[in-house]
Amino acid sequence: KNEVEQSPQNLTAQEGEFITINCSYSVGISALHWLQQHPGGGIVSLFMLSSGKKKHGRLIATINIQEKHSSLHITASHPRDSAVYICAVFQGAQKLVFGQGTRLTINP
Amino acid sequence: DAGITQSPRYKITETGRQVTLMCHQTWSHSYMFWYRQDLGHGLRLIYYSAAADITDKGEVPDGYVVSRSKTENFPLTLESATRSQTSVYFCASTGGSGREKLFFGSGTQLSVL
Repeated sequence: KNEVEQSPQNLTAQEGEFITINCSYSVGISALHWLQQHPGGGIVSLFMLSSGKKKHGRLIATINIQEKHSSLHITASHPRDSAVYICAVFQGAQKLVFGQGTRLTINP
Repeated sequence: DAGITQSPRYKITETGRQVTLMCHQTWSHSYMFWYRQDLGHGLRLIYYSAAADITDKGEVPDGYVVSRSKTENFPLTLESATRSQTSVYFCASTGGSGREKLFFGSGTQLSVL
């Protein structure tokens, strides 16, 4: 079992739909990061969470430390949101471990 | 943010050759990482470093060597390249205890023939 599990692995939705991507982890962490990678592109950081909730535009990220779970939500999804979304956890203040990623496709 | 740069962007080499991929960051971040990205495997950690002169193995370190004599540089060397090392390599950095934003280089696409 991977230390970081994301679900779903693939998600296709229509423009305007509310999107949720989940991340569960099995180890103690100091922080959790949500990342975005467009096809053929680089990787950019969306959020860093150590507790609670953060919002940036149409993106919302939450974390529940007790349940070892985080969610990334996209409101009013748009085709430009199509990308791979990756959850990464910082373990023991040294090691960064990634989930397998969720491939999101938003159809117009 | 252009504070973390990888070079070269593309590299083609032959089996058995030594190859070094460079990573340079300008923020004096303490943590630096090397990952490889392959279809079906996501991002896998090769090596990481918590500070200058401190490095440690990640998930897939075999066949790779790293050094970190200066905080800003974290080169990755393939001592004798193999075809299985054909991949896209990403370098990343962050400060604090992982509670700061992560920054990634643009990646190096390596082909070993």
